[in-house]
Amino acid sequence: ETGVTQTPRHLVMGMTNKKSLKCEQHLGHNAMYWYKQSAKKPLELMFVYSLEERVENNSVPSRFSPECPNSSHLFLHLHTLQPEDSALYLCASSQEQFVDTQYFGPGTRLTVL
Amino acid sequence: KQEVTQIPAALSVPEGENLVLNCSFTDSAIYNLQWFRQDPGKGLTSLLLIQSSQREQTSGRLNASLDKSSGRSTLYIAASQPGDSATYLCAIQFPNNAGNMLTFGGGTRLMVKP
Repeated sequence: ETGVTQTPRHLVMGMTNKKSLKCEQHLGHNAMYWYKQSAKKPLELMFVYSLEERVENNSVPSRFSPECPNSSHLFLHLHTLQPEDSALYLCASSQEQFVDTQYFGPGTRLTVL
Repeated sequence: KQEVTQIPAALSVPEGENLVLNCSFTDSAIYNLQWFRQDPGKGLTSLLLIQSSQREQTSGRLNASLDKSSGRSTLYIAASQPGDSATYLCAIQFPNNAGNMLTFGGGTRLMVKP
């Protein structure tokens, strides 16, 4: 079983749809992260969870809603997205928040029509 | 505000050449610096992590250095191979008002030609 898995790998949705991205880590880590990678822009941190509690939210629009039901699972709920939200969404985990090596999942390629 | 810059944005070299990728940052108050590799359309793979108290880290053909005072890090790749072709990202972990923070550079896209 690979360390960090993400589903789905590809997602196409309309602006009025509601969908969710899922991330699962099998490394026993305490911190999990959502990142957004847009074309020609640096990787952007969206959310951080440490021990299932959200500790960072870099002014992300409310149409993105994270959920961390336990230390192994992280979700990103999407609703009424805009075309500019099309990007690669990456999940990562680390033993502790920020101070350790982060391990990344393969990402979900999202296209908003 | 911490800003991370990577130069060059793209680099093409013949196989076997030694090369250096550069990363600079504006605030020397950092916890650590990490180098990642990203293959097209895929997630990131951690290559090396240098703690703020360290000067360099080595893994195989890779050597990363850190000079906090000048706000610079380099990733040295020896005897490059076509399989090294990827985008290389550096990331800085540092304290901010909300706790800790992580900022990535824009990456260097490397092409190693056979």
